[in-house]
Amino acid sequence: DQQVKQNSPSLSVQEGRISILNCDYTNSMFDYFLWYKKYPAEGPTFLISISSIKDKNEDGRFTVFLNKSAKHLSLHIVPSQPGDSAVYFCAASALGAQKLVFGQGTRLTINP
Amino acid sequence: DAGVIQSPRHEVTEMGQEVTLRCKPISGHDYLFWYRQTMMRGLELLIYFNNNVPIDDSGMPEDRFSAKMPNASFSTLKIQPSEPRDSAVYFCASSLIGTTSTDTQYFGPGTRLTVL
Repeated sequence: DQQVKQNSPSLSVQEGRISILNCDYTNSMFDYFLWYKKYPAEGPTFLISISSIKDKNEDGRFTVFLNKSAKHLSLHIVPSQPGDSAVYFCAASALGAQKLVFGQGTRLTINP
Repeated sequence: DAGVIQSPRHEVTEMGQEVTLRCKPISGHDYLFWYRQTMMRGLELLIYFNNNVPIDDSGMPEDRFSAKMPNASFSTLKIQPSEPRDSAVYFCASSLIGTTSTDTQYFGPGTRLTVL
């Protein structure tokens, strides 16, 4: 049973446009959410996070939105750049926990 | 700062053979995590250690998998005997404090394991 789901295995976006990556979770105990970015032949690196007390967190071109009632979060990248092409993993945990539960990942391709 | 170091980067072995994956965490980090990445399930946590002690091994798929951390700078993940379904990328990660809301897990580059 997948507690964190990324239903889109891949996404292709034109350079300069907005990229929207989606993530759903089932465990209502999760109250902290993260996005990691992974380039080929490298390990994932932390990108941005959000606590359940917020519904939005912004860091430059990256914004994460959280809809607790729908158990859904999304990552917006504006404007998209070729260097954003990577696999993006959504992850969740309970506050104070050490364990992260990851989704399957979404491969984002930014076309010039 | 070297980051998390994993070896080997690639491993090809035959079914039934023993496989040992190695990890050196970032110096000073108290937490070490082993993950497995597959297309179907994404990144799965297998086991994690705090101060060299295994805390949660509920993600270890079966008895063929074992992990050790003999000291603060070294950990191994062993599969014996290996099976084709074990083929995946295995990541090691470390963090300073451990709590995900105040800390960051730093991942190594991974070991791509292929079992024929």
